[in-house]
Amino acid sequence: KQEVTQIPAALSVPEGENLVLNCSFTDSAIYNLQWFRQDPGKGLTSLLLIQSSQREQTSGRLNASLDKSSGRSTLYIAASQPGDSATYLCAVLLGTGANNLFFGTGTRLTVIP
Amino acid sequence: GAGVSQTPSNKVTEKGKYVELRCDPISGHTALYWYRQSLGQGPEFLIYFQGTGAADDSGLPNDRFFAVRPEGSVSTLKIQRTERGDSAVYLCASSPGRRTGELFFGEGSRLTVL
Repeated sequence: KQEVTQIPAALSVPEGENLVLNCSFTDSAIYNLQWFRQDPGKGLTSLLLIQSSQREQTSGRLNASLDKSSGRSTLYIAASQPGDSATYLCAVLLGTGANNLFFGTGTRLTVIP
Repeated sequence: GAGVSQTPSNKVTEKGKYVELRCDPISGHTALYWYRQSLGQGPEFLIYFQGTGAADDSGLPNDRFFAVRPEGSVSTLKIQRTERGDSAVYLCASSPGRRTGELFFGEGSRLTVL
């Protein structure tokens, strides 16, 4: 079974800092990897989707990288803002034909003004 | 609609009761998923629909859980004889097609079983 781990579980940074969130997965035979943001009491918002053939994706201040062979992905947030405070989840879709995403438990980010 | 809509947003029920949770996906999305999220955890897969059929129900925990999507749009998750352990947020997501991977989530239905 695919295991997805996110470290750290929680992170606090002062406003303006650049930061990196980590995601690791045990089965490298993935179809794609997706990063989500979840605000308290809300659903998930898709941030970036990386196909298995890609190495990275960028959207604004966010950059996600994928190293499939080592089972790792990172989400880089540049010039953090208080509005970035949320829980960030990564999820992988296996290449086996299964249709469900395997989620990590998330990193709870707090950006201090 | 503009996004995935889930109702009710909150449901409190007593142990042993029957509950229905509704999901209205983004118009035109053929794929629909149900996930369950417990406090401090990531979402766990329950069931996947492609059109009207349940293409993968391997995540349903037991036979008290059932979901339907009779017309290929709105879906209902049904839980019989609820137990306290069923308390969680039930998330619905839709996707434009098969295995695109990019899911659009609703805000969830928070179920509390007393």
